[in-house]
Amino acid sequence: DADVTQTPRNRITKTGKRIMLECSQTKGHDRMYWYRQDPGLGLRLIYYSFDVKDINKGEISDGYSVSRQAQAKFSLSLESAIPNQTALYFCATSERTGSYGYTFGSGTRLTVV
Amino acid sequence: GEDVEQSLFLSVREGDSSVINCTYTDSSSTYLYWYKQEPGAGLQLLTYIFSNMDMKQDQRLTVLLNKKDKHLSLRIADTQTGDSAIYFCAEGPSGNTPLVFGKGTRLSVIA
Repeated sequence: DADVTQTPRNRITKTGKRIMLECSQTKGHDRMYWYRQDPGLGLRLIYYSFDVKDINKGEISDGYSVSRQAQAKFSLSLESAIPNQTALYFCATSERTGSYGYTFGSGTRLTVV
Repeated sequence: GEDVEQSLFLSVREGDSSVINCTYTDSSSTYLYWYKQEPGAGLQLLTYIFSNMDMKQDQRLTVLLNKKDKHLSLRIADTQTGDSAIYFCAEGPSGNTPLVFGKGTRLSVIA
């Protein structure tokens, strides 16, 4: 099983719909992150959480919300999806300290029509 | 603010060496990372270097760090078609801030 699991892998939704992307991890890491990837723009940070009671906005949090239900689970919601939220979304985890950087999930490809 | 810059594309012939360059801005970064993203997959940590090192070698990979110029490079020796991917440079962490990623360099290997 993957260390960081994202569901769904692919999703097509209509403009205005609410959608939730889920992330769960078995790494035992405290820190979790949500990024979106767009061609030519690289990875942009949406939200991050350093522990269950900690939620922080990233550079592009408008239109998104998150929930850290447990150490292992971090969900990203689009309250009212719009077409420019069409992107590849990645969840990542990291330890509180150490040198090993992030462990990424396989991504969710979201299309808003 | 923090920024990580890398060129978007690189094309090399199979068997040649590839060099992917990156510049960063945060001199307090503790580690610098290279991640690889293959088509349809997430990012995988390829290698990293501690900020007090100048060089790190791992099989076909060589990472060079010039702290004075805030320049990081990744050299892949004997590049193979399986090395075709997007390579991301990242810096951090600095204090409690998340890693900052570059936009990624797409490496194309021509057989």
